Amino acid sequence: DTAVSQTPKYLVTQMGNDKSIKCEQNLGHDTMYWYKQDSKKFLKIMFSYNNKELIINETVPNRFSPKSPDKAHLNLHINSLELGDSAVYFCASSSFGTSGSNEQFFGPGTRLTVL
Amino acid sequence: ELKVEQNPLFLSMQEGKNYTIYCNYSTTSDRLYWYRQDPGKSLESLFVLLSNGAVKQEGRLMASLDTKARLSTLHITAAVHDLSATYFCQGTYKYIFGTGTRLKVLA
Repeated sequence: DTAVSQTPKYLVTQMGNDKSIKCEQNLGHDTMYWYKQDSKKFLKIMFSYNNKELIINETVPNRFSPKSPDKAHLNLHINSLELGDSAVYFCASSSFGTSGSNEQFFGPGTRLTVL
Repeated sequence: ELKVEQNPLFLSMQEGKNYTIYCNYSTTSDRLYWYRQDPGKSLESLFVLLSNGAVKQEGRLMASLDTKARLSTLHITAAVHDLSATYFCQGTYKYIFGTGTRLKVLA
């Protein structure tokens, strides 16, 4: 009964390919996020969706396109992969609003290696 | 520029010692989060600090928040080897993460 799950866990691909990472949460949260952790362990938010609506879209190349088919799922599609896209991508979820803690729960991560 | 700075970036300490990790942020943040990350693993939520003056403790770790000073601290008491990990703070404005503090506790 994993709370936030991601697939695949590892992804090795060639430059120029298109790939997707899937994320699902069973916590009943209404907000989901994608983060990128680079080789120096710096973490940066990429996108956030609340009730399937995009609420945060940081300066991410438009080769990255998130899709949220419902509140429990947030997928990340990456076109024309580049070497610099190699990183660990984390999905997270939380409730949203000013009254709660909005504590984020993270998935196990997807390690993407672009050759 | 939006920043969340942690110091130190690296911390090597002896078992049994105390130490504090600092998290300074440049914009207002009504709450502050602390996480732990073990090598090759995901982030584990440690503390959620919801208001100015909040203090939370769990085992040998204690976190506090001063929103006026834009400062949060993570205090380690009598460190043990199992606390070796990387610790991150995160504000709520654009969910910016701190740079991380890699802690190594030596036996």
